[in-house]
Amino acid sequence: QKEVEQDPGPLSVPEGAIVSLNCTYSNSAFQYFMWYRQYSRKGPELLMYTYSSGNKEDGRFTAQVDKSSKYISLFIRDSQPSDSATYLCAMSAGDYKLSFGAGTTVTVRA
Amino acid sequence: DAGITQSPRHKVTETGTPVTLRCHQTENHRYMYWYRQDPGHGLRLIHYSYGVKDTDKGEVSDGYSVSRSKTEDFLLTLESATSSQTSVYFCAISDGVVSYNEQFFGPGTRLTVL
Repeated sequence: QKEVEQDPGPLSVPEGAIVSLNCTYSNSAFQYFMWYRQYSRKGPELLMYTYSSGNKEDGRFTAQVDKSSKYISLFIRDSQPSDSATYLCAMSAGDYKLSFGAGTTVTVRA
Repeated sequence: DAGITQSPRHKVTETGTPVTLRCHQTENHRYMYWYRQDPGHGLRLIHYSYGVKDTDKGEVSDGYSVSRSKTEDFLLTLESATSSQTSVYFCAISDGVVSYNEQFFGPGTRLTVL
């Protein structure tokens, strides 16, 4: 069983829809939860991070963490074609290593 | 973009040949990482470095070796390339200061082993 599970999709939505992405994990030591965005043929870049449980909002993006269920989510409101990318969840126990999910490919149709 | 470059950006090689990929950073970050990215697997850590000459294995290190003789350079070597090592390789760096360990990624190297 992988340490971090993420549905690879692909996910296709019309412009303006809400995109919902999620990951589950098995390692209780994870404290930091991140979402990276990766455009085609580019390296990933950090989109958001959350410490422990709770919600965090940044513009159209909301990250949620439920440590009791070992489940994290990313919501994209009012999705735009420019949001088309692969979204990878990543987790850290506070050391120098990250564990990544497989990534979900999202296409927002104009 | 963080100052990370990877070379070469694309390479096609034959089974059994040695291959070296280079990662160069201008950020003076302490930590450097090599990942491979394959469909369905996401990013998997091959090796990482926590200082000059200080390296350790990741989850998929078999068939790979690394070296770091300077802060700015981290080399990944495939001693004898195999077709299973066809992948996209990413280098990443982090300063180890922020608690959530934000990593900055290079543009990637597409390696094809025939």
